[in-house]
Amino acid sequence: GDSVTQTEGLVTLTEGLPVMLNCTYQTIYSNPFLFWYVQHLNESPRLLLKSFTDNKRTEHQGFHATLHKSSSSFHLQKSSAQLSDSALYYCAPPDSGYNKLTFGKGTVLLVSP
Amino acid sequence: DPKIIQKPKYLVAVTGSEKILICEQYLGHNAMYWYRQSAKKPLEFMFSYSYQKLMDNQTASSRFQPQSSKKNHLDLQITALKPDDSATYFCASSQARTVSGNTLYFGEGSRLIVV
Repeated sequence: GDSVTQTEGLVTLTEGLPVMLNCTYQTIYSNPFLFWYVQHLNESPRLLLKSFTDNKRTEHQGFHATLHKSSSSFHLQKSSAQLSDSALYYCAPPDSGYNKLTFGKGTVLLVSP
Repeated sequence: DPKIIQKPKYLVAVTGSEKILICEQYLGHNAMYWYRQSAKKPLEFMFSYSYQKLMDNQTASSRFQPQSSKKNHLDLQITALKPDDSATYFCASSQARTVSGNTLYFGEGSRLIVV
C-alpha cells in the first residue's frame, strides 16, 4: 500500500492566498526524515525542505512545514502564494531499508493572478 | 553546469527495440538511483545502487537492467521496448546509500517515446 497520502490532484489558488498541501505518512521508523520535493514544468524534482525533528518548524524559500509524529503529518504551507509556486509537489517518507525515497502521487499547485 | 548528466535527453524508439540510457554524476556521491515518471504514474522508484552494488529493485520486469561500470556511472538498459515504457527516466544520486537525511539530486531526465 501507499506509504504517503497527499492532497489529491490539483490545487488552484489565487496569487497572495495561503498555501496548504497536506501530507500524512506511514513508516516503520520511529524517527524518520520527511521530505518535500518540488518539480516545476519541464524540470527535474529538487528538494524543497526536509525535517527530522518532531514539532519543529522547518523553512525554506518561503515555505514551511512541521513534522508531527503524533499525527504522522508533514503538511507544506506558505503564507502567500506566488505565480512561480505553480509546480508539482511531492511528499516523501523513507521506505524500508532507507535505500530509497518513495514519492506520493504528488499535488499540482496552480497559482493564478 | 549540470552535475548529473543524462543522455540522451530525448529518444524515440521502435517497439521491440533495445535502448540504453546513460547517467553520470559528478557530485562525488556514493549512491545512484533510477526513477520513472509518466502520465499514468507519478515519480516511481526503479533501482538503487551503492558502490556499484544493487541495493533495491522495484521493477517487476527483467527488461530493465541497470549497469554500473564505475561508481559515478549508472546506465539503464531497456530491452524489448513497449509503448507503455514511454516515460521520462530520471537518474538521481545521494551522498550516502541511506536516504535518511540525505538529499536526492536528480538529473534532467531522458524522455523516451516508444512508437
